[in-house]
This record gives sequence, C-alpha cells and structure tokens, in this order.
Amino acid sequence: DAKTTQPTSMDCAEGRAANLPCNHSTISGNEYVYWYRQIHSQGPQYIIHGLKNNETNEMASLIITEDRKSSTLILPHATLRDTAVYYCIVRVVSGAQKLVFGQGTRLTINP
Amino acid sequence: NAGVTQTPKFRILKIGQSMTLQCAQDMNHNYMYWYRQDPGMGLKLIYYSVGAGITDKGEVPNGYNVSRSTTEDFPLRLELAAPSQTSVYFCASSSTGQLNTEAFFGQGTRLTVV
Repeated sequence: DAKTTQPTSMDCAEGRAANLPCNHSTISGNEYVYWYRQIHSQGPQYIIHGLKNNETNEMASLIITEDRKSSTLILPHATLRDTAVYYCIVRVVSGAQKLVFGQGTRLTINP
Repeated sequence: NAGVTQTPKFRILKIGQSMTLQCAQDMNHNYMYWYRQDPGMGLKLIYYSVGAGITDKGEVPNGYNVSRSTTEDFPLRLELAAPSQTSVYFCASSSTGQLNTEAFFGQGTRLTVV
C-alpha cells in the first residue's frame, strides 16, 4: 500500500488560500490520490481526487506533481467552516479498493 | 436521499455484552466498509465487503464479525465487548469496480464500553 505523509497541523487566516501538502512517494502508476476531510466528529466528507492531472471542483483544487510523488490540496478562500482534519489517501489497487486513512492534517482557520 | 445510515448514534455497553451496529445504504453500492476511530486518531479499517455474501478483514478485525446478506445492509457485530472497543464507528460505501469513485460515510456510532 502506498503510504502518505502529511503535516500534523496547519493554520491559515480566514479568506486566504490554504495549501495542504501530502507526500506519497511510493504511489503506483494507477493509484489515485484522494482527499477527505472530517469536521469535528462527523463522518469523513469527500473533497476531490486525481490521477495525474490537476483537478478543480467547487470545493478545492488538487495539484499533483509530475512525478506523482506529492500533491497539494488548495482551498482558495478558506472560511471558518473549513476548520477540520484533512486526509490525503492513496486508493489501494486491489479487489476492494479500500481507503486506508493516515493521521491527517488538522487545519485551523483563524479569524 | 438518505445515503449511508447508521444506527444507533450512541450506545453504552457493559464489558462482555454483545451488540450489532447497523449500517444501511440506498445507493445500490456493492462496496461497504466499517472503520473505527479512536480519540485523536485517524480511521482504521475493520472489515469490508465487495458485494453481498463476500466479506474480508481489514487492519483491525479482532473482536468483530460482519455479514452481508443483502446489498443494502452491512451490520457489524461485537460479541464480547471490551473497553478497548470504545470508539466511534463509521460505515461507508462506494460503487462498484472503479478506482475513481468516492466513498460516502455515515455519521458514526459512538460506542462506550464500561
């Protein structure tokens, strides 16, 4: 299984862009990078995923390096509601395609 | 659209008691998962299922059992509750066979064993 490494915690000012890094240097060629977040103690919420190309949706942008060994999740205009734990996950290539969660990054948005 | 529904939301068990955590999804997803999350930690996979009648162990299966008799339901059974099983349990589902699909999570069951 490809493992991911994320900073334990980060802070960002409200209204600024939050950039969350993730290292996945052992990722295989056909494994996707997924990002989820968990607000307080709720169930994890899907944010975005990608394989090789950069991706953008209404919530965030995902920038994947050319060698695919790292990626960055960007929340363009962070709000207080974006305070959460953010998980970077590499989707395991197997029959179950199960999600394996790491420790995540605790992002705090400050007013 | 209910998505993934877990019951109960909260439960207190005594050591040695048994219980079943219920999980149901209405999205016709073949893949379903059970995770546990201890305080301040990430989620750990307990069991998963790739379809009705098929289940397999995850990272931390000891002390738990599952069954998958229908596509919709994936109950998690604790036979002899122990304090180490105090945790928040999350059920999730995803559609069949594609790597680029998201998983949907329920809102969790908070279990305390005393």
